[in-house]
Amino acid sequence: ETGVTQSPTHLIKTRGQQVTLRCSSQSGHNTVSWYQQALGQGPQFIFQYYREEENGRGNFPPRFSGLQFPNYSSELNVNALELDDSALYLCASSLSGIDGYTFGSGTRLTVV
Amino acid sequence: AQSVTQPDIHITVSEGASLELRCNYSYGATPYLFWYVQSPGQGLQLLLKYFSGDTLVQGIKGFEAEFKRSQSSFNLRKPSVHWSDAAEYFCAVGAPNAGKSTFGDGTTLTVKP
Repeated sequence: ETGVTQSPTHLIKTRGQQVTLRCSSQSGHNTVSWYQQALGQGPQFIFQYYREEENGRGNFPPRFSGLQFPNYSSELNVNALELDDSALYLCASSLSGIDGYTFGSGTRLTVV
Repeated sequence: AQSVTQPDIHITVSEGASLELRCNYSYGATPYLFWYVQSPGQGLQLLLKYFSGDTLVQGIKGFEAEFKRSQSSFNLRKPSVHWSDAAEYFCAVGAPNAGKSTFGDGTTLTVKP
């Protein structure tokens, strides 16, 4: 059984740029959630996808968007990057959210 | 709105001593509660969860937690801490669809030899 894989592990972007983060779900999982974890804080829910449809969103602006593909892998896109977007971005997958989520190791995004 | 408070930012215990990490939540309905652990540079690992039933929940790595509705608490305990337990611990509350969980800001555990 594979876990959740995120790529890249680290990246540095300039303010105003766009970034795409990728997540491969654990095998058999059809639900993916994305979280933002700023330094010293708990994860903040960005949005969730279930069978390629967004079915929940946290308090994040529209420049945060996502996709889920037929194989249930997912992307998080952030446009017009701001310095405050610097954080660890975590992807978590589940089978319909029933038994909790499996988290990836995250992508560390630094905006300069 | 749902929220989670972890009152202790940092706790230090000696190896072999008992541990209790506090978690208080606010949630409008029957809560679904979780404890996760995060090692430096890593993602979160689920320690245990409470959905319903017995209010004392057993998890992995020898951890347990007790749900107390009257106190809106879900404290995590371990009878004897090991050096490898040093990490950050997060309590979370959410709907059955746990992907929409609200997390606390975490408690950092340091274990003294």
